[in-house]
Amino acid sequence: DVVLTQSPLSSPVTLGQQASISCKSSQSLVYSDGRIHLSWFHQRPGQPPRLLIYGVSNRFSGVPDRFSGSGAGTDFTLEISRVEAEDVGVYHCMQSTEVPHTFGPGTKLEIK
Amino acid sequence: EVQLVESGGGLIQPGGSLRLSCVASGFTVSGYWMHWVRQPPGKGLVWVSTIYAGGSATNYADSVRGRSTISSDTARNTIYLDVNRLTAGDTGIYYCVRGSNEWRGFDYWGQGALVTVSA
Repeated sequence: DVVLTQSPLSSPVTLGQQASISCKSSQSLVYSDGRIHLSWFHQRPGQPPRLLIYGVSNRFSGVPDRFSGSGAGTDFTLEISRVEAEDVGVYHCMQSTEVPHTFGPGTKLEIK
Repeated sequence: EVQLVESGGGLIQPGGSLRLSCVASGFTVSGYWMHWVRQPPGKGLVWVSTIYAGGSATNYADSVRGRSTISSDTARNTIYLDVNRLTAGDTGIYYCVRGSNEWRGFDYWGQGALVTVSA
């Protein structure tokens, strides 16, 4: 199975500052269609996850442009510029290139 | 508007069975891959099972393979997950998730159904 490792696991940030979360894969995530199926989700307490980024760097419908994804090979990053109070919660990366689809352990974003 | 509404959770004794239902609205399930994802209390997300609702393709995580069945009723626009021989390890919130038709991943999630396996 593909193992995804996230860091940090906890990230206290100041409102208005930038946050960066890393997701590293145990193997290449390039699918037979040539694309990398790596997604990012945000989960607020008591809520289901919500899709932010798909295909490494594509923002989903309605996602603010403060959120951006990047990466290649086995290293991927989610960046949140100008963190707002509503951004608190847990961020999960997920790979859907291989079955079983697997998730990272999650990174908890909190406000200092 | 895409909506997914799960039902069928609750408190179940070890060794028992459950049937989860996911009613979809705003789209037709027969054209999509549909998934179940479990989240144990206070923990991360675990993919459980997948079905191509318009056909017969299914897949299962090792943890449920052989004691679980995912199915669809396109007339009811509903997805089901049946799991037998439940253990405490099956405890968690079960989310019904739609697979995207544009990329190989998930886009919309239901609110989830809580399943607690305990004596």
